Amino acid sequence: GAGVSQSPSNKVTEKGKDVELRCDPISGHTALYWYRQSLGQGLEFLIYFQGNSAPDKSGLPSDRFSAERTGGSVSTLTIQRTQQEDSAVYLCASSFQGMNTGELFFGEGSRLTVL
Amino acid sequence: AQSVAQPEDQVNVAEGNPLTVKCTYSVSGNPYLFWYVQYPNRGLQFLLKYITGDNLVKGSYGFEAEFNKSQTSFHLKKPSALVSDSALYFCAVRSNYGGATNKLIFGTGTLLAVQP
Repeated sequence: GAGVSQSPSNKVTEKGKDVELRCDPISGHTALYWYRQSLGQGLEFLIYFQGNSAPDKSGLPSDRFSAERTGGSVSTLTIQRTQQEDSAVYLCASSFQGMNTGELFFGEGSRLTVL
Repeated sequence: AQSVAQPEDQVNVAEGNPLTVKCTYSVSGNPYLFWYVQYPNRGLQFLLKYITGDNLVKGSYGFEAEFNKSQTSFHLKKPSALVSDSALYFCAVRSNYGGATNKLIFGTGTLLAVQP
C-alpha cells in the first residue's frame, strides 16, 4: 500500500481480555518496528523485526506482550490479559533494509483503552 | 545505552519569530540523529536527519537542525515560525556502533505552540 496501515484505529477492552493489533507495512520494507506512545512518556520502543525474525525485542514490557511477523509483511502485536496501564497508542513503523541511515515511516496508530 | 533528552515539554513562540526546539543525546559511537513531527491525530512524519557531513542539515517545511558533537546536541530550528508549525516534535537517535540494533530511541517530545 501507499503507507503503513494499522488496525483497529481504536480499541476499547475490559481488563483481563486479550487484544490483537495489526500492522501492514509499506510494500518492500523489510524492517518493522512497534512503539508505544503514552501521555508524557514519549515513544517507547517495543520490538524490531528484520524480515520475519526479531533481533531486538528488548522493549516488550512483560511476557503478556508478544509479536509476530509472517511472510516478511504483516505483523501482529498481541497483549494478553490486558491491564489498565497498557492503555496507550501503539505505533507501527517500517523502513527499507533495516534503516541503516534512512527514516522510519509510521502508521497512524492503534489507540488502546483498557477499562 | 542510547538516550535522548528534550528538556522542554512545551515551547511557545509568536508567528514570524524564530523557533528552537532543544535536543541532547547520549550514544556509543557516532550518532544518527532524526527529528519527527506529529500533528494532532496523525502519525509521526520524518522532518530531517543527520548522518554525516555538514553539521547543519535542512529538512521539510523550512526546518533545519545543527549537529554539535562537543555539546552532544541536535537542536531543531526555523527562522520564522508559522501557526501551522504547531505540533509535537520528537528527537531520535540511533548509534552506528557495530553492536547496536537498528532501533531509534525517541525523546519525550516537545509541544510547539505558535501564536498568531
